[in-house]
Formats: sequence, structure tokens, C-alpha cells
Amino acid sequence: GNSVTQMEGPVTLSEEAFLTINCTYTATGYPSLFWYVQYPGEGLQLLLKATKADDKGSNKGFEATYRKETTSFHLEKGSVQVSDSAVYFCALNVGSGTYKYIFGTGTRLKVLA
Amino acid sequence: DTGVSQNPRHKITKRGQNVTFRCDPISEHNRLYWYRQTLGQGPEFLTYFQNEAQLEKSRLLSDRFSAERPKGSFSTLEIQRTEQGDSAMYLCASRPGTANTEAFFGQGTRLTVV
Repeated sequence: GNSVTQMEGPVTLSEEAFLTINCTYTATGYPSLFWYVQYPGEGLQLLLKATKADDKGSNKGFEATYRKETTSFHLEKGSVQVSDSAVYFCALNVGSGTYKYIFGTGTRLKVLA
Repeated sequence: DTGVSQNPRHKITKRGQNVTFRCDPISEHNRLYWYRQTLGQGPEFLTYFQNEAQLEKSRLLSDRFSAERPKGSFSTLEIQRTEQGDSAMYLCASRPGTANTEAFFGQGTRLTVV
């Protein structure tokens, strides 16, 4: 079946530190991969996506590369800010039928000034 | 259009009562999804509509749950005879019908069953 595994949090970093949040997946077919972010009290917002192998998604300084050989989609940012504090969800959908998402459990990031 | 809208934002109910949530998707989106998110977990798929047709339901959607999208626009999710285990955030999402497009999520309805 399809599944997503994320590193457990919380992750606590100082401002301007380098961020990596690991995400690996198991999927039948050829999934699209996504990172969503959830700020306190808000819904999920798309951060970035990649629809095929070797694609790199990027947005707001965050990047993730779709690695089919390692079934991974790790999220990185070179210099985090306090405003990046949120919960980050890795997700996949398989491009057939419903296109429903399978989410990881989420990783809480706390950035300290 | 300001995005996916969900009402109410919060609902507290007594065990055994019925509750109904509403989702208004982005107007041109014909696909609509309901997810449930419990504390510390990622959202889990509940059900999917393409226009007014409910095409898939998760095993999580017990017979106490029913969802409708009568005119292919807004959707409602009703939970009958609520239980404490139903306490969760209920998220609605919509997307257009084209492939490889992402879903847009509402802010969710937080249900607390006491």
C-alpha cells in the first residue's frame, strides 16, 4: 500500500540554522509528492510539490528533490527564521482515481530567536 | 474567491448528539475531499466527491458518518450519535479536475465531544 514516513519532531533550531526534515515514501505507481505547512490555528498550505522523479520543488527558500532511487523527498532550508515555526507534512498522491493524499504524521519545527 | 471555507470553526457537543459541518470549496473546483486530523497525526482521508457524486469512502467513515454534495458545490459532513473518539479536526479540501494539481485546504472544523 501507499505510505509516508517522516522524521519525528519536535525539531528545535536557532534562527539562521540549516533545516532538514526527512521524508520517505512507499507507493504503487508514480506518485506526486508534496510538502504542506500548518501554522498554529490555520489549515494546511501547500509549500512545494514535485510530480516526477528528479524534479525539485522550491518555495520561500525551502527545497525538496523527488528521489525515486531512495524513495525520498526531504525538505531543506538553508537559513530558518522564527516565522518558519509550524508543523510540516509530507504527502503523496497517486495519479489515478481520486488523487487523495496520504500524509505523514507531521514534524513540528520550532525556531528560536 | 477567498479559498475553501469551513463552518463552524469550532464545535463542542455532548456525546450522542448529531453534528453537521459545512464546506464551501473554491468555486471552479469540481473535486472535494474530507479528511480527519487527530492530535499529533497527519490528516486521514475520509471521502471524495467529483461534482455531486461521492466516488470513494474510507473505512474510517463509519455508518454514523454521512457526507453530501447535493449540487456539486458546497458539501456537508454529518456525524450522528457522536462519540468521544470523534473529537478531531475535520478538514475539507478542493481541487480542479486537471491532473497534477494540488488540493487547497480549508481551516478546518475542530470538533470536541464531551
